[in-house]
This record gives sequence, C-alpha cells and structure tokens, in this order.
Amino acid sequence: KNEVEQSPQNLTAQEGEFITINCSYSVGISALHWLQQHPGGGIVSLFMLSSGKKKHGRLIATINIQEKHSSLHITASHPRDSAVYICGAAKLIFGTGTRLQVFP
Amino acid sequence: NAGVTQTPKFRILKIGQSMTLQCTQDMNHNYMYWYRQDPGMGLKLIYYSVGAGITDKGEVPNGYNVSRSTTEDFPLRLELAAPSQTSVYFCASRPYRASSSFGQGTRLTVV
Repeated sequence: KNEVEQSPQNLTAQEGEFITINCSYSVGISALHWLQQHPGGGIVSLFMLSSGKKKHGRLIATINIQEKHSSLHITASHPRDSAVYICGAAKLIFGTGTRLQVFP
Repeated sequence: NAGVTQTPKFRILKIGQSMTLQCTQDMNHNYMYWYRQDPGMGLKLIYYSVGAGITDKGEVPNGYNVSRSTTEDFPLRLELAAPSQTSVYFCASRPYRASSSFGQGTRLTVV
C-alpha cells in the first residue's frame, strides 16, 4: 500500500464545475503539500497545511489530521486549471497525482 | 530572487558515464530535495538535506550521491549512468514550515 494515495487518478470536468481531489496518507505528518504540475512539466507549490483549511483564489485545501485525509477543491473550474495535482506528506513523499482536464 | 535554478535542462549520457546535476537556490532555504519523475509516475524522493553539511537518503538513492557544503547548493551526482536512470529530475527547496519552490527540471536520457 502506498503511503500517500490520491483519488481519482483521472478527472474530466466542464468549465464552471466544482472539483474535488482527495488525498489519504498513512504516515505521520507535520504538514501536507499540494502541488500543481502543468503539461509543460513545471511544478508549482499550491499549499502547505497542517490543520484546517487554506484558500487561495478559487483553490481551497482542507485537512483532517485525525482521519489522515486532505482534499483540494477548485471552484468555478476553468480550462487553465487542467494539470496534474499532486499531494505530498512527511518528507515530501508524493502520491502519483490526479490528472485533471477541464473542457470549455 | 532567481528561486531554484537547475542545470542543465537536458542531457544525454552514455551508459557508464557520470555527471552532476546542479541545483542552486538564493532564498536561504534550509531544506533541499532531489526527486525523479518517470513518465506517468509520481515524484520519487532521491535525497534530501535539512541544512548545510547534512544529507539523508530518500526512497530511491541507489546510483546517486549528494553533497551540501553550502546552504545554496545541492548537487546530485550520477556515477556509472544506467538506462534505468532515464528520468526527469527536479530539485526543490523550502524554508521551515513553508511551501516548496521547485526548479524547472532536468530531462536526462541514458543511452
């Protein structure tokens, strides 16, 4: 069993839809990271959170430490949100990512 | 700030050759990491460092070595390159209890 698991692996959406990506982890952590990797390959760090909720623009990340679960939400999705979203825990052990495609 | 700078961006190596992937950050971050990403796969941690003079192995350290003589630099050394080391390599850094910054990646092909 992977220490960090994401679901779904692939996700397609219509522009404007509300999107949720889930991350479960089995390791003890002090913080969880969400990354975005665009088709060109570049990686951007979206959030690092250790409790509660963080919001940046249309992106919201939540974490439940007791349940070892985090979610990344995208409100009013847009085609430019199409990317691979990756969560990481502990010493930055990462899941395999969720590939999101948003169609106009 | 230039952020995290990786060089080279692309490299083709022959089996058995060696090379060093350079990573430099100008943000005074204590934590630095090296990852590899194989096609369609997630990021795998190779080595990491929590400060100058301190390094430790990650999930997939075999075939690689690192050093951290300064806060800014964290080079990754490949000795005796093998086709299995064909991958995209990312360097990252972060301060304590804050998000990471990633380099642009190095695409390495071993033939």
